[in-house]
Amino acid sequence: AQSVAQPEDQVNVAEGNPLTVKCTYSVSGNPYLFWYVQYPNRGLQFLLKYITGDNLVKGSYGFEAEFNKSQTSFHLKKPSALVSDSALYFCAVRDPTDSWGKLQFGAGTQVVVTP
Amino acid sequence: ETGVTQSPTHLIKTRGQQVTLRCSSQSGHNTVSWYQQALGQGPQFIFQYYREEENGRGNFPPRFSGLQFPNYSSELNVNALELDDSALYLCASSFRLADQETQYFGPGTRLLVL
Repeated sequence: AQSVAQPEDQVNVAEGNPLTVKCTYSVSGNPYLFWYVQYPNRGLQFLLKYITGDNLVKGSYGFEAEFNKSQTSFHLKKPSALVSDSALYFCAVRDPTDSWGKLQFGAGTQVVVTP
Repeated sequence: ETGVTQSPTHLIKTRGQQVTLRCSSQSGHNTVSWYQQALGQGPQFIFQYYREEENGRGNFPPRFSGLQFPNYSSELNVNALELDDSALYLCASSFRLADQETQYFGPGTRLLVL
């Protein structure tokens, strides 16, 4: 069975500082990995995904994520955080051997960026 | 915005009632997945529809059912509502077998069961 862990409930960072949101996963085989962001009272917005290839994936709004197979991690990063990055971030994994596209989400990490 | 729309945005029901939530998928997408997001939790997969048939189901009872129409829009029906059904219901559309099926989410329907 696939699973995702986001070990931090909340990450606090000052504007302009680097932002990292952690994610580890468990899935048989090679995973598909996703990051989504959720603003208050909104749905989820897709940020980026890793399917195969380069371990460093670049996504929307200046975000990137690094896939590390040996550590089974897929941490989200942004070099310089903005106050507008304050939101709830979800990591998700999909087992590509599934014939249907179930996403397994982590519990989410609240990011708070202070001016 | 993703182009995925959901209606209604908010809904209040009482225990035992039935509810129907609606989702219009993004243009060009042929697959719809439904998720339940309880307060303070990540979304949980309910089921997926492809070619108007249920294509996989998560750990939800049969009183959660759905439909997909020829235009790929979808409905989620919940019968015999319980208090624990209070949640944000998200639909996501994707194109099967392409783009590694990135799912694009709608804004959700917030259901409150009293």
